[in-house]
Amino acid sequence: AQSVTQLDSHVSVSEGTPVLLRCNYSSSYSPSLFWYVQHPNKGLQLLLKYTSAATLVKGINGFEAEFKKSETSFHLTKPSAHMSDAAEYFCVPEAADSSYKLIFGSGTRLLVRP
Amino acid sequence: DTEVTQTPKHLVMGMTNKKSLKCEQHMGHRAMYWYKQKAKKPPELMFVYSYEKLSINESVPSRFSPECPNSSLLNLHLHALQPEDSALYLCASSHSKDYGYTFGSGTRLTVV
Repeated sequence: AQSVTQLDSHVSVSEGTPVLLRCNYSSSYSPSLFWYVQHPNKGLQLLLKYTSAATLVKGINGFEAEFKKSETSFHLTKPSAHMSDAAEYFCVPEAADSSYKLIFGSGTRLLVRP
Repeated sequence: DTEVTQTPKHLVMGMTNKKSLKCEQHMGHRAMYWYKQKAKKPPELMFVYSYEKLSINESVPSRFSPECPNSSLLNLHLHALQPEDSALYLCASSHSKDYGYTFGSGTRLTVV
């Protein structure tokens, strides 16, 4: 069965320092993978997506993620955190069947200190 | 238009009320979804409509009744809800599996 694990429930960084949010998935094949961000009391916004075209994916607001099949990882990074990056981040693989389902990770809350 | 629009943004209803949530998109997406999100939790899938037909019902109680009148519109009819149904209800749409999903900003529902 497919599953996704976000390894940290909370990550705290100082403004201007790098961000690393970790995600591991388990699947018998390489699924489509997404990172979504949710600011407080808001809906979800697509940050970036991996769909097997390129292993390094660039997204909005300076975020990027690298798909590593050997490690079954899809970690999200940003070189320099901004206060506005404080939010909840979800790693989301697509279901292996044709159901159009998304499988949400438990989420990582990013805190950015001034 | 690249948005999913949900109305109302906030809704307070009593346990005997009947209300509806509305979701609209004009991106030509053929799959539409309802998700429920409790505080500090990830969204949970409720229903999936594909080409205006209900394709997935994740064992949702019958007090929630979805409806897809056309390819741009998705409704969620609510009746006899319980306080534990209070949550953020998110609508989403997608063109295909690889394109990602566009979410609305949600309806914050409080059942009193």
